[in-house]
Order: sequence, then structure tokens, then C-alpha cells
Amino acid sequence: DAKTTQPNSMESNEEEPVHLPCNHSTISGTDYIHWYRQLPSQGPEYVIHGLTSNVNNRMASLAIAEDRKSSTLILHRATLRDAAVYYCILRDYARPAAGNKLTFGGGTRVLVKP
Amino acid sequence: EAQVTQNPRYLITVTGKKLTVTCSQNMNHEYMSWYRQDPGLGLRQIYYSMNVEVTDKGDVPEGYKVSRKEKRNFPLILESPSPNQTSLYFCASSLLGTGTSVSYNEQFFGPGTRLTVL
Repeated sequence: DAKTTQPNSMESNEEEPVHLPCNHSTISGTDYIHWYRQLPSQGPEYVIHGLTSNVNNRMASLAIAEDRKSSTLILHRATLRDAAVYYCILRDYARPAAGNKLTFGGGTRVLVKP
Repeated sequence: EAQVTQNPRYLITVTGKKLTVTCSQNMNHEYMSWYRQDPGLGLRQIYYSMNVEVTDKGDVPEGYKVSRKEKRNFPLILESPSPNQTSLYFCASSLLGTGTSVSYNEQFFGPGTRLTVL
């Protein structure tokens, strides 16, 4: 399985943007880039995913490098509720069974300061 | 409301006493799986199921059993629990497919079951 590398932790001030980097230099052509987050005492929740183009949704934006070897999750205005562990995960869409398995790394713990 | 439910949320038991953690989803998802989360090891997949009566091992299946008799339910069974199975367990579900839309890519996780085996 292709692996991802993320910083262990990041801090941000409330209402400021947060840019969370992820390196995935061994990404394959059929890997989607997924982001999940885990709030304290909760199960992981889906944030966003993309393949090649940048993506936006109500929670965040995903910027994908042209060579797809790295990506950045952008939280535009961090709130205290965004304090969580954020996981960058590669999912192989060409293999439904194996592709539905999410391989979680250590993630980035985001601390939001008021 | 679309959701994955797990019961119980907390359980303290003793070594060797059989237990079952239930998981149910109301989204008609084909794919369901179980993960355990341990400090320093992250989330690891235990078992998964691609549909009714179709189950397979994940990365850490030893000491666990599962069944998928109905599409909505995927119970995790510990026939003879041991202290090294003390962990936080999550059930997850999703559609099974290769589409690009969110519906084919979003996995839903339950709230977790914290199990302590003494």
C-alpha cells in the first residue's frame, strides 16, 4: 500500500487558515487522496477526497500537486471544533475490496488556540 | 439520519468470557468493516465484509470472528477475550464501488466501543 507522511502536530489560531501537508511520493495512478479527521472521543469522519484536481466542499479544500506526490488540506477559518487528528489516506479505486480498506497513519494533531 | 451504531459503547469484562459487539448501519451499504485503535498503532482493520455472507480477514484478525447474515448488521465476536484485546473498536460502512462521487468514497464510522479485558 502506498504510504503517506504527515507532520505530527500543528497549531493554529482561531479563525485563521490551517494548511495541513501530506506527502505521498509513491502514489499510483489509481489512488484517490482522502482526508478524514477524528475529533476527541469520536470515530473518524470523512472530510474530502480528490484525484487530480483541487476540490472544495463545505468543510475544507484539497489542493493536489501537479505530480500528485503531495497534497494540502486547507481549513479556511479554523474553529475550536476543528481541533482533531487529521489523516491523509490513499485509496485505490481500482480495487473495490482492498480500496475500501482505509490505512490510517499517525495523522496530524491540530490544536486551535482561541 | 444516516448513521452507524455500535453497542455497547463501553464494556469491561474478564478473560475468557465470550462477548459480542454489535454494529448496525441504515444506509444500505454493502461494505462493512471493523477497526481497532491503539495508542501508537493507529487504526488497524480486523475484518471486513463486502456483502451478506461474504467476509474476509483484515490486518489483525486473530482472536476475532464476524458474521454478516443481514446487510445492515456486522457483529464482532470475541470468543475468548484476552487482555491484549483491550482497545477502542470502530465499525465502519460504505458503498462498494469505484465511482468518483462522494457517495462512493465516504466511509461512515460508528462512535466506538471501548473494551477493557481484565
